[in-house]
Amino acid sequence: GQNIDQPTEMTATEGAIVQINCTYQTSGFNGLFWYQQHAGEAPTFLSYNVLDGLEEKGRFSSFLSRSKGYSYLLLKELQMKDSASYLCAVMDSNYQLIWGAGTKLIIKP
Amino acid sequence: ETGVTQTPRHLVMGMTNKKSLKCEQHLGHNAMYWYKQSAKKPLELMFVYSLEERVENNSVPSRFSPECPNSSHLFLHLHTLQPEDSALYLCASSQGQGATDTQYFGPGTRLTVL
Repeated sequence: GQNIDQPTEMTATEGAIVQINCTYQTSGFNGLFWYQQHAGEAPTFLSYNVLDGLEEKGRFSSFLSRSKGYSYLLLKELQMKDSASYLCAVMDSNYQLIWGAGTKLIIKP
Repeated sequence: ETGVTQTPRHLVMGMTNKKSLKCEQHLGHNAMYWYKQSAKKPLELMFVYSLEERVENNSVPSRFSPECPNSSHLFLHLHTLQPEDSALYLCASSQGQGATDTQYFGPGTRLTVL
């Protein structure tokens, strides 16, 4: 079966750095997406990785290792507004997104 | 604002009611999706439409009936629902269904079935 694993909840301090991990086992691989979802709001696109390595976009970076079936989202200089759920999703060989259950990130002052 | 709107934002219905959820995208996309999001569970893909044709139906119960009258609008008709159908229903759209076609989501309809 297809499976995406990510931690259920993480806590971090304002101004710090946090890394949210995602491991996957899917039928084929056509890229990995990270989305941010604030409570009661739409998931919004953060990043897309299809090749190994690190993609940096401002305070957020996303890393992919296809051989290990592993990705992480790195958030730097955390702000209170970063409190949200972070969803990892992999596009499989049928171009269908397989989703993780999301990681709820709590930022404390 | 992602360019995808959904109405209503909240809906409470009894098991014998019939209601419809509406989604509209203003992005000129060709593909639209319905997802179900339950607490602490992964998003579940329900239906996919591409150029107004249904291309995916992930074994969804017949009490959920989608309709896509044009590439900008998507409906989900609900009837005889069960309490376990209570969830957040998300609509999304994308330019196509390729690997780089990012999906953009609406804010969802929070459905409660009594």
